[in-house]
Amino acid sequence: KAGVTQTPRYLIKTRGQQVTLSCSPISGHRSVSWYQQTPGQGLQFLFEYFSETQRNKGNFPGRFSGRQFSNSRSEMNVSTLELGDSALYLCASSLGPLNLEWESNTGELFFGEGSRLTVL
Amino acid sequence: GQNIDQPTEMTATEGAIVQINCTYQTSGFNGLFWYQQHAGEAPTFLSYNVLDGLEEKGRFSSFLSRSKGYSYLLLKELQMKDSASYLCAVRELTGGGNKLTFGTGTQLKVEL
Repeated sequence: KAGVTQTPRYLIKTRGQQVTLSCSPISGHRSVSWYQQTPGQGLQFLFEYFSETQRNKGNFPGRFSGRQFSNSRSEMNVSTLELGDSALYLCASSLGPLNLEWESNTGELFFGEGSRLTVL
Repeated sequence: GQNIDQPTEMTATEGAIVQINCTYQTSGFNGLFWYQQHAGEAPTFLSYNVLDGLEEKGRFSSFLSRSKGYSYLLLKELQMKDSASYLCAVRELTGGGNKLTFGTGTQLKVEL
């Protein structure tokens, strides 16, 4: 079974540009979450999607947005890039929300390798 | 909101046992996870606790006390490959969502 796939793995942008990152979850997983990881802050939650709907949102500015498609693939977009947006962006998939009766659904997250964004 | 605390760094000897502690404060606890992350790699799942007590999985065990807001990860028979960052994460009740809040991680160094 293929894992979570994120593209691109590395990218360099300049301030003011925008970027789109893509995530393909594990087959059968319908929930996708996005996290930003930096050395100082650790993993910070961005948002979570299920069935093309945003279920949870972290404390990030509106420049950070995302969406999920009918095949569960997800994208996140960051507009008007700032130097502080340089980070590893991790996508994680899981079966789905806990209120759905899936056997052994602990809500465990499976992470992709991440997209490392550098803003110059 | 949540507050999760874990030590920043720990050092241990190959073959020994190490315990990594995690304390948390949350308004609606719904599970605690431990993840391992090697440098330059994705975090990988180690353990999950939602009820009080000890969960054992090979060389790794995790303990939870909900009343104390406390968990620990116990690594036995340490190996050099266990050198990594260990992340404690808490899930909060969010109406069925699956949002995890992570601590900043404990960097474990295993020495000969």
